Amino acid sequence: AQKVTQAQTEISVVEKEDVTLDCVYETRDTTYYLFWYKQPPSGELVFLIRRNSFDEQNEISGRYSWNFQKSTSSFNFTITASQVVDSAVYFCALREAAGNKLTFGGGTRVLVKP
Amino acid sequence: ETGVTQTPRHLVMGMTNKKSLKCEQHLGHNAMYWYKQSAKKPLELMFVYSLEERVENNSVPSRFSPECPNSSHLFLHLHTLQPEDSALYLCASSQRPADSGYNEQFFGPGTRLTVL
Repeated sequence: AQKVTQAQTEISVVEKEDVTLDCVYETRDTTYYLFWYKQPPSGELVFLIRRNSFDEQNEISGRYSWNFQKSTSSFNFTITASQVVDSAVYFCALREAAGNKLTFGGGTRVLVKP
Repeated sequence: ETGVTQTPRHLVMGMTNKKSLKCEQHLGHNAMYWYKQSAKKPLELMFVYSLEERVENNSVPSRFSPECPNSSHLFLHLHTLQPEDSALYLCASSQRPADSGYNEQFFGPGTRLTVL
């Protein structure tokens, strides 16, 4: 069975601080896909990034960066120089190669104060 | 309209009512999903449709009845719900895993359901 754990339920930072969100996953598959989504107060989940299990390159997109460490089953997400608009709930998710099911972590609420 | 739309955005219903949630995707995808998001639990997958066939039903009570008449539309018919069914119901769409390895899912804004 697959499982995703986001140990941090809520993180509060002041604008311009960096914030790192942890994600640890469990799966028995050797091929799987990892995702991060953002859920602003409006409710819609916004897709941020995907990563497959064979691609351990870290990725940077603007102020966002992701660190995939297969050895520790982690896929952490860092927001650099946070802004108030980054305030949202962030979800990490896992899908095994053969299935339709996207398993989500419990989410981490990020509050960025001005 | 673009992306995934859901109507209504908010719904209040009594336990004896019958209502339906509607989802429409404009992304050319061939798989659609219903999720439930409540305050105390992680996002829960309810149903998966692939090429208009239901391929997954995660032990959802029969008071929730999905319908997928075509690849662009997905409904969730509700009847005799309980107060604990109050939640945000999210629809998503993607390409089937068989067609696209990643098949990242794109979500609608959700329907906030309150059962009195």
